[in-house]
Amino acid sequence: NAGVTQTPKFRVLKTGQSMTLLCAQDMNHEYMYWYRQDPGMGLRLIHYSVGEGTTAKGEVPDGYNVSRLKKQNFLLGLESAAPSQTSVYFCASRSGVSPLHFGNGTRLTVT
Amino acid sequence: SQQGEEDPQALSIQEGENATMNCSYKTSINNLQWYRQNSGRGLVHLILIRSNEREKHSGRLRVTLDTSKKSSSLLITASRAADTASYFCATVDYNNNNDMRFGAGTRLTVKP
Repeated sequence: NAGVTQTPKFRVLKTGQSMTLLCAQDMNHEYMYWYRQDPGMGLRLIHYSVGEGTTAKGEVPDGYNVSRLKKQNFLLGLESAAPSQTSVYFCASRSGVSPLHFGNGTRLTVT
Repeated sequence: SQQGEEDPQALSIQEGENATMNCSYKTSINNLQWYRQNSGRGLVHLILIRSNEREKHSGRLRVTLDTSKKSSSLLITASRAADTASYFCATVDYNNNNDMRFGAGTRLTVKP
């Protein structure tokens, strides 16, 4: 099993550009999460989903949108990137009462 | 939200010593989970302790939970340089919400 796969691994954007980060899991998990982690900081929850077709806001949702059209995929979109969105983005998933399984992250730099 | 807060923020010890990290939380929980993060990588689950458990062991890890004080501790015994990482706790209350939030973590450095 691949587990949780994030693409791309690295990306550089100019201010105002848009992009979509893809998270895919092959464990049939119901719950999926997007976090961002700034240097020396903990993880902050951006958005999450409790099932296909549903999404909810986390701690820092502004400037991001998400979609969960298929159970295995959770997309994170930045419509107009800002330097403050420079961060490492982690996706995670879980099922029922299981712990979170994390991807290896996407390093995004906005110049 | 169910957010744990870890302390200390940073801990530096010699190889072979024990390391203790603490986590405090504010609301009711179903379980509390500890995770480890090596630099730049995703978090890896270490151990889960349910609200009706008081202590749990896994190898060199020992976790305690005191629901009356709303706190947990993670003890790593006989530490190794490879234990150098950041450690995070997350609390879960499945009845109230399904978001999972983390504190700022404890940065552990084990010197060889």
